[in-house]
Amino acid sequence: KAGVTQTPRYLIKTRGQQVTLSCSPISGHRSVSWYQQTPGQGLQFLFEYFSETQRNKGNFPGRFSGRQFSNSRSEMNVSTLELGDSALYLCASSPGVLTDTQYFGPGTRLTVL
Amino acid sequence: GDSVTQMEGPVTLSEEAFLTINCTYTATGYPSLFWYVQYPGEGLQLLLKATKADDKGSNKGFEATYRKETTSFHLEKGSVQVSDSAVYFCALSFSSGGSYIPTFGRGTSLIVHP
Repeated sequence: KAGVTQTPRYLIKTRGQQVTLSCSPISGHRSVSWYQQTPGQGLQFLFEYFSETQRNKGNFPGRFSGRQFSNSRSEMNVSTLELGDSALYLCASSPGVLTDTQYFGPGTRLTVL
Repeated sequence: GDSVTQMEGPVTLSEEAFLTINCTYTATGYPSLFWYVQYPGEGLQLLLKATKADDKGSNKGFEATYRKETTSFHLEKGSVQVSDSAVYFCALSFSSGGSYIPTFGRGTSLIVHP
């Protein structure tokens, strides 16, 4: 099976812009989770989608949003970018509940200037 | 809230040395516990997991035992290789009121010299 894919792999934006990241899960996986990884805060959970519905949400401001399509592909959007949003954004998929093993993509490296 | 504490790195070892990376957790309930590994430029990969007390997870020579009495899940390997150089993350995840919020440790960098 093909693994989790994320596009783009690298992105450079300026403050105030918005950005959309994409994630394609492993075929048959219905749960997609997003994480932000930074040197200062480590790996933090953003949100999880299951069958097109947001099922869990971490402690991030409303500027961070996401959605999931009927084919389980997911997008994450960050509006009004701030310098502190520079991070590696990881997507992970799993068959169902979060206690199942998560399969991570390679991430999208976002740099905000 | 729930938390995972890992020993700070980097951990620097010579090839064939014994490895221990400590991990302790705080949680209300009975979480599943995981070790993930992140190689340079890649996403995280599951290394091993344990879902209940006294379970031992093992993979690729690594192992960890779920110790409920000490709330620990220490990672060990008897003989490390240069190819084990990576960042290791301890994590927990469990159900509470229908929600499953995974919590990761800060990660421990392992550097293995030939």
